[in-house]
Amino acid sequence: NAGVMQNPRHLVRRRGQEARLRCSPMKGHSHVYWYRQLPEEGLKFMVYLQKENIIDESGMPKERFSAEFPKEGPSILRIQQVVRGDSAAYFCASSPRARGTGNTIYFGEGSWLTVV
Amino acid sequence: DQQVKQNSPSLSVQEGRISILNCDYTNSMFDYFLWYKKYPAEGPTFLISISSIKDKNEDGRFTVFLNKSAKHLSLHIVPSQPGDSAVYFCAASVEGRGDDKIIFGKGTRLHILP
Repeated sequence: NAGVMQNPRHLVRRRGQEARLRCSPMKGHSHVYWYRQLPEEGLKFMVYLQKENIIDESGMPKERFSAEFPKEGPSILRIQQVVRGDSAAYFCASSPRARGTGNTIYFGEGSWLTVV
Repeated sequence: DQQVKQNSPSLSVQEGRISILNCDYTNSMFDYFLWYKKYPAEGPTFLISISSIKDKNEDGRFTVFLNKSAKHLSLHIVPSQPGDSAVYFCAASVEGRGDDKIIFGKGTRLHILP
């Protein structure tokens, strides 16, 4: 029973390049969340997606960041023209959205982005 | 606007004693609460949750208490073990809304002392 799979685990990008982080949810889970953890900070909500639908993107920076969860394939968090301040750990989580049982989300191991 | 607050950045507890981690929230709409544990360079791991219809939930050495009137919850770990040294995140959501996101606190780093 594979858990939430994230790749790459570590990514180094130069300023101005693009970063793509991928997340495959747990089997049977149809909802994906992306969180960011800056150094010495907590987990900040970024975006919540269902397949082919963005449910809540209130935590996404207005520019350069986008997310998708297509009908087939993993969810992708895309950061264009990266800057040093984008260096962080990005965590993906998934849930089955079983209503009435509490929305417990399960995290992947994270992707660590370093911008040089 | 920090809706979920963990006011103690760190806590040190002797092995074998009780660890109590605290969490406060400001949004009275929250009706589902969770605790996660995180080791360095790993993803958060779900520990225990509680619905607002309960005031206590227990799972092995972990017990979560919810005081809705005070908008406060706590995680008790007893007895504390060396492997419990980690960062603990409190989280909350509005379960009934269907479009809820889960809001996390900044975490409390727990050190279990030998």
